[in-house]
Amino acid sequence: GQNIDQPTEMTATEGAIVQINCTYQTSGFNGLFWYQQHAGEAPTFLSYNVLDGLEEKGRFSSFLSRSKGYSYLLLKELQMKDSASYLCAVNSGNTPLVFGKGTRLSVIA
Amino acid sequence: DVKVTQSSRYLVKRTGEKVFLECVQDMDHENMFWYRQDPGLGLRLIYFSYDVKMKEKGDIPEGYSVSREKKERFSLILESASTNQTSMYLCASSLRQYQETQYFGPGTRLLVL
Repeated sequence: GQNIDQPTEMTATEGAIVQINCTYQTSGFNGLFWYQQHAGEAPTFLSYNVLDGLEEKGRFSSFLSRSKGYSYLLLKELQMKDSASYLCAVNSGNTPLVFGKGTRLSVIA
Repeated sequence: DVKVTQSSRYLVKRTGEKVFLECVQDMDHENMFWYRQDPGLGLRLIYFSYDVKMKEKGDIPEGYSVSREKKERFSLILESASTNQTSMYLCASSLRQYQETQYFGPGTRLLVL
């Protein structure tokens, strides 16, 4: 079976750092995506990890541990506009992407 | 920039009506997808297509059908709309493999009365 777990909701303060975790159990693994989705809008691609380690892209970083079936998205210097849902998705091989249910992040002043 | 467009942002239909949702992508992508998104349930795959005239069922195909007559266009059809099909419908496309990065359209919020 395919299973992806993320926290449902998180709240963080403007200017702070927040880490959104994703654990997965899938029949295969060829990479993990993170998407951002603002309310009422389409998901947009943030990052893709296929090898273990940290990938940094400006204020956002994504980490992968394949042996632990674990990833996290790290957002630094939080801004109000970072309030959104963050979706974790796994490329499990010969099937379309498997999406988690998403984590709704609220950034407060 | 990849552009995926959907025919309507908001749609209101009555129970029993036939509903067509259209999706067009302009980047010559091989693969196209239809999802629905509901609070607490996340994105659920309805159907996908990896080539013209080809279609594959996703996780929740019941009550839906699709059509891909041209590479750039993928249509979702609700043969007889029901209230439990009220949802946000998202179309996406990817370049070569269906495991690659997906690019999403703006979504259609469908209300079935």
